[in-house]
Order: sequence, then C-alpha cells, then structure tokens
Amino acid sequence: GAGVSQSPSNKVTEKGKDVELRCDPISGHTALYWYRQRLGQGLEFLIYFQGNSAPDKSGLPSDRFSAERTGESVSTLTIQRTQQEDSAVYLCASSSTDRGANSPLHFGNGTRLTVT
Amino acid sequence: AQKVTQAQTEISVVEKEDVTLDCVYETRDTTYYLFWYKQPPSGELVFLIRRNSFDEQNEISGRYSWNFQKSTSSFNFTITASQVVDSAVYFCALSEGMTSYDKVIFGPGTSLSVIP
Repeated sequence: GAGVSQSPSNKVTEKGKDVELRCDPISGHTALYWYRQRLGQGLEFLIYFQGNSAPDKSGLPSDRFSAERTGESVSTLTIQRTQQEDSAVYLCASSSTDRGANSPLHFGNGTRLTVT
Repeated sequence: AQKVTQAQTEISVVEKEDVTLDCVYETRDTTYYLFWYKQPPSGELVFLIRRNSFDEQNEISGRYSWNFQKSTSSFNFTITASQVVDSAVYFCALSEGMTSYDKVIFGPGTSLSVIP
C-alpha cells in the first residue's frame, strides 16, 4: 500500500523566499507529525496534528514556521522568509490511532531544503 | 517535560561483536511509550520496536534484544553478532500519555559503524 508521500523531494531556494512543503499521510492515519533533521543531527520535533484537536505547535522554532492540515489528510509546512539555518531535511510521519495496532510512526522520505 | 538521552554519539565495532546502545528517558507520566528506530545511510527511518510503560518484559527478536528498566529509566538496545548491514543511526524515542500516537520526542541518535 501507499506510504507517506512528501513533495518536493528536494527544494533549493534563495534566502528570503517562502517555501511550502507537502505531506500526504497514509490513508486513515489521524496523527501527523513534522520533524526537522539537520545534517548529521537528530530529529527535532516541530508540530503534531491529532484528528480535530488543536495542533501541538510547541516545536516550531519561530513565527516564520507554520503548518496546516486539511481534515485528516494532506498537511503543508510553510517557511516564510527562509534563512540559511533552515537548510535541513524536513520529515513527515503519520500514525494510526487504532489502539489494537502497533501504532509506530511511518515516515516519508523527507524534503531536503537548501537555502542559498 | 519529556526528554530522551542517548549518551553514545558514535560507536564502532568489528563485525560479529555484540553492541549495546543506551537510552535514558525522563517523563513525569506513569503511562508512556518507548520506541527504537533505525536510520540507515539511505535515510529512511525504520521502526524497530514499541514498548509501553506497563510492560517491562525484555524482548528478543532475532539478533536484536531490548532491556527496559523503569527503575533506571532506561531502554537499552543490544545487537548480537553485529553485521555490516547494521551500520546506521539508531534513535530512541518517547511518547507520553495513554496512547502511543501522542507527541513523540526523539533522542539525538547513536551512529553505529560495523567494520568488516
């Protein structure tokens, strides 16, 4: 079956431009997460959506970062006025909320963002 | 606040040696979930195991085993008879709350190199 899909896979942008990163979760997964992974670093939590609940935005590093999710499907992470420090791989993950399931996070392949 | 510590940044072992990756976590909740994920050089994150806070049974899966000890807040991962294909970054992760699909926080990762 289809996994988590992220687009674009690579994005090069100039400093100061806005970018939008897209995530299509696995169908039926109500939980969706965004993480940032800088080169050689761990996964930095950004934001978490769970069904119709208010998202947990506690990991967003600044007000230049925002994310939306349409119902229980597609999510978009927007970075405004990009800075070179925003260069990283942005990973999206989704999870089933079925209590009987193992409920691990299923990750996409990420979007590699390079700010020049 | 939840926190995951992986004190070992990098480990190198010779093929066929056993290796243990340490994970120490902090949480105020009595109900929580712990995970291990593997990130091979290809970059895709692969789920390995999930364990809830009520289940302290150690688990063995092939060459992998996990030792969960609530008394020391540790969830260590051992690879027996390591192989070159085990070379990857390994992440320990923690999710607080009643479900395993709540906000998931990752440790910084341990980079394992298995030398032939």
